[in-house]
Amino acid sequence: EAGVAQSPRYKIIEKRQSVAFWCNPISGHATLYWYQQILGQGPKLLIQFQNNGVVDDSQLPKDRFSAERLKGVDSTLKIQPAKLEDSAVYLCASSYRPSGGVNTGELFFGEGSRLTVL
Amino acid sequence: AQSVSQHNHHVILSEAASLELGCNYSYGGTVNLFWYVQYPGQHLQLLLKYFSGDPLVKGIKGFEAEFIKSKFSFNLRKPSVQWSDTAEYFCAVILQGGKLIFGQGTELSVKP
Repeated sequence: EAGVAQSPRYKIIEKRQSVAFWCNPISGHATLYWYQQILGQGPKLLIQFQNNGVVDDSQLPKDRFSAERLKGVDSTLKIQPAKLEDSAVYLCASSYRPSGGVNTGELFFGEGSRLTVL
Repeated sequence: AQSVSQHNHHVILSEAASLELGCNYSYGGTVNLFWYVQYPGQHLQLLLKYFSGDPLVKGIKGFEAEFIKSKFSFNLRKPSVQWSDTAEYFCAVILQGGKLIFGQGTELSVKP
């Protein structure tokens, strides 16, 4: 079974530039998550999708971050303009959630996209 | 606000030593609890999980964790660590709606 695919693996940009990350979840996984992991900290949820709808984006800095999941499959996370404090690893994860059921909680993570903002 | 707290930031052990990593959560409702592990250069993966039933759960590679509801704790244990257990360990709790919240992580270094 193919895992969660993310690209690019590494990105270096200057502040105020823009960047986009792409994620393709495991086939059949309805729930998709974007997490931000700053060095020395645990992953912080940015946004959660159920199919192509947003379930939770309460911690997404909406003035600069945006995410979409068109057609309920792959997803893109964009940062524009980037700030120094956005330097982090951006993790995409997916999970299987039966229709009307409860998320079992097992998230499958991609390898992450490491962003460095200079 | 719901949160997960891990007691140790960095733990250093010798091989064959016993391991216990602390985890406390603050959430008043029904919780499902997890430990994830991230080996160097690899992605996060599930180590073990607790949903209900026996509060002592066993995971992969000889790890186990005990859920103590009265203490809001879910500590991870292993009787005898190996060098290959060197990794970062994250405790997590899933809230209603499927939101997974992580602790800050504990880095474990095992000396051969």
